[in-house]
Amino acid sequence: AQKITQTQPGMFVQEKEAVTLDCTYDTSDPSYGLFWYKQPSSGEMIFLIYQGSYDQQNATEGRYSLNFQKARKSANLVISASQLGDSAMYFCAMREVTGNQFYFGTGTSLTVIP
Amino acid sequence: KAGVTQTPRYLIKTRGQQVTLSCSPISGHRSVSWYQQTPGQGLQFLFEYFSETQRNKGNFPGRFSGRQFSNSRSEMNVSTLELGDSALYLCASSLGSGNGGTDTQYFGPGTRLTVL
Repeated sequence: AQKITQTQPGMFVQEKEAVTLDCTYDTSDPSYGLFWYKQPSSGEMIFLIYQGSYDQQNATEGRYSLNFQKARKSANLVISASQLGDSAMYFCAMREVTGNQFYFGTGTSLTVIP
Repeated sequence: KAGVTQTPRYLIKTRGQQVTLSCSPISGHRSVSWYQQTPGQGLQFLFEYFSETQRNKGNFPGRFSGRQFSNSRSEMNVSTLELGDSALYLCASSLGSGNGGTDTQYFGPGTRLTVL
């Protein structure tokens, strides 16, 4: 089974609008971390936001927020007030305490339309 | 604090050659992981080194190897290059200790390898 599933290969959003990128995960570990990364066309993976499995509140970092629904095993990224520079690939990732390995999803390509 | 650096940034090799890629982690980070990214296969985990020891390994053939030095810098070697090895190779560093779930990986800019 896939550890991380991103079902949206591509998304479009109007500039200044909000957009939600979906991510579901699969783990039996009680302790894990969830991460989102942005990869512009230059190739570098940029860390955006982190959510711990025991965190009670959803994580926020500026225009990024993580909609964490533990029972549904989903960790959707919400980008508010989209900007042209947000156009990039977005990857969801998980790290389990057991094994210590990072698992990445297949990514979602986001295009912001002026 | 300086970020993760990778050298070289671009590399062109021919089939059968070998290549060594280098990664310098963020100061204080002891874990270095390597990933291969291709359009067809996405992001695939190669291996992770922590305190000079390989801690995790992905499903790649033995032609792919790595090592880590005492200063946490890491190298990745690919021997007998194949056309399919053309990819973006990303290195990521993290603290590597403590609660594994919270240990964030920070990536370098990558090395783009082309095999002709």
